[in-house]
Amino acid sequence: RKEVEQDPGPFNVPEGATVAFNCTYSNSASQSFFWYRQDCRKEPKLLMSVYSSGNEDGRFTAQLNRASQYISLLIRDSKLSDSATYLCVVPSGAGGYNKLIFGAGTRLAVHP
Amino acid sequence: EAGVTQFPSHSVIEKGQTVTLRCDPISGHDNLYWYRRVMGKEIKFLLHFVKESKQDESGMPNNRFLAERTGGTYSTLKVQPAELEDSGVYFCASRRTGNQNTEAFFGQGTRLTVV
Repeated sequence: RKEVEQDPGPFNVPEGATVAFNCTYSNSASQSFFWYRQDCRKEPKLLMSVYSSGNEDGRFTAQLNRASQYISLLIRDSKLSDSATYLCVVPSGAGGYNKLIFGAGTRLAVHP
Repeated sequence: EAGVTQFPSHSVIEKGQTVTLRCDPISGHDNLYWYRRVMGKEIKFLLHFVKESKQDESGMPNNRFLAERTGGTYSTLKVQPAELEDSGVYFCASRRTGNQNTEAFFGQGTRLTVV
């Protein structure tokens, strides 16, 4: 089993739609989690961090279920500019932040 | 404030040649990470420096890869000799010392093509 697993998509949605991505992780000791966004041929950039049950920032909501080792990202009122790959990222290693383990990413394409 | 910078942005070399990638982290960030994304795969961890010390190099593929961070500032990643399977995008990231929630900032990556 991979340490971090994501649905690869792609998710093709119209503008204004609500879309949700799922991510499962295997290390039950992980405490914090991140969603990064990566545009085509660009570097990953932090979108949200999650360390309690959830976090909300505008149209974006991240939720954490420790019992099920499951993280989700909800995007409401999708914009064309939301088109990107969304990476679920879990810290791992000694001290909890030795390295970041990346999921393969979920591709989102928002169309007019 | 300057972000994480990587050089070169692209490199095309022949199999058997040597390539050296460079990463300049954000000033004051003690933690520096190298990652790699090969075609169609997820971004994978290579190694982690804390200042000039290698904290974790468990992700280094083999002994053809050598990373250094002399003086705890910029880092280099040398591939010698390069093989076809080394092609991919090499990302560097830096992070200040903090807690698990402290953000890691990524450079724009070096796209390496071995032909």
